[in-house]
Amino acid sequence: DTGVSQDPRHKITKRGQNVTFRCDPISEHNRLYWYRQTLGQGPEFLTYFQNEAQLEKSRLLSDRFSAERPKGSFSTLEIQRTEQGDSAMYLCASSLGTGVNGYTFGSGTRLTVV
Amino acid sequence: AQTVTQSQPEMSVQEAETVTLSCTYDTSESDYYLFWYKQPPSRQMILVIRQEAYKQQNATENRFSVNFQKAAKSFSLKISDSQLGDAAMYFCASNNNAGNMLTFGGGTRLMVKP
Repeated sequence: DTGVSQDPRHKITKRGQNVTFRCDPISEHNRLYWYRQTLGQGPEFLTYFQNEAQLEKSRLLSDRFSAERPKGSFSTLEIQRTEQGDSAMYLCASSLGTGVNGYTFGSGTRLTVV
Repeated sequence: AQTVTQSQPEMSVQEAETVTLSCTYDTSESDYYLFWYKQPPSRQMILVIRQEAYKQQNATENRFSVNFQKAAKSFSLKISDSQLGDAAMYFCASNNNAGNMLTFGGGTRLMVKP
């Protein structure tokens, strides 16, 4: 197992366009998390899944954001009508069980909205 | 709700010496978990060390150890015999007992001088 994979690594998009990111967790991990990290800041929680169910969403996750995890495997995070304020690193993580032993993070997708 | 505060934006240490990174937290949880993560430049976040709040004994992982002061809500990281590869952003984080809400501090950039 190669860990948590995220694709693409970098994405540059024009304001108003839609973007979609993909995360492939460690295969046996049932929980998957999305975080957003702006430059010089700590990651902020966006949402998490247990298997295919989305169990919690942050207030940061506006109506323009949607996340899915069909069949409890990979996950996608879509941002519609991107704004410059969406520019950030989007991190995916996964855990086996409750995550109290820590999460395994991917390398992230860096989004730049121009 | 949980909050995590790292009051040192930057720290530097001479190679082979010891450095301590500070972290304070606040939580309404009775059971919780504390973590230090390392994020090298342009690389993924890696778990350095983990502490269960109900355990009084401070966690240790090779050159990394913590000073956990539960009453003071303090959780500092000590790095002994610092190496050039220790240079990175270090994030303190806490998680609740359900493991579904890993909350990060703002980070401390550690520089290691040869």
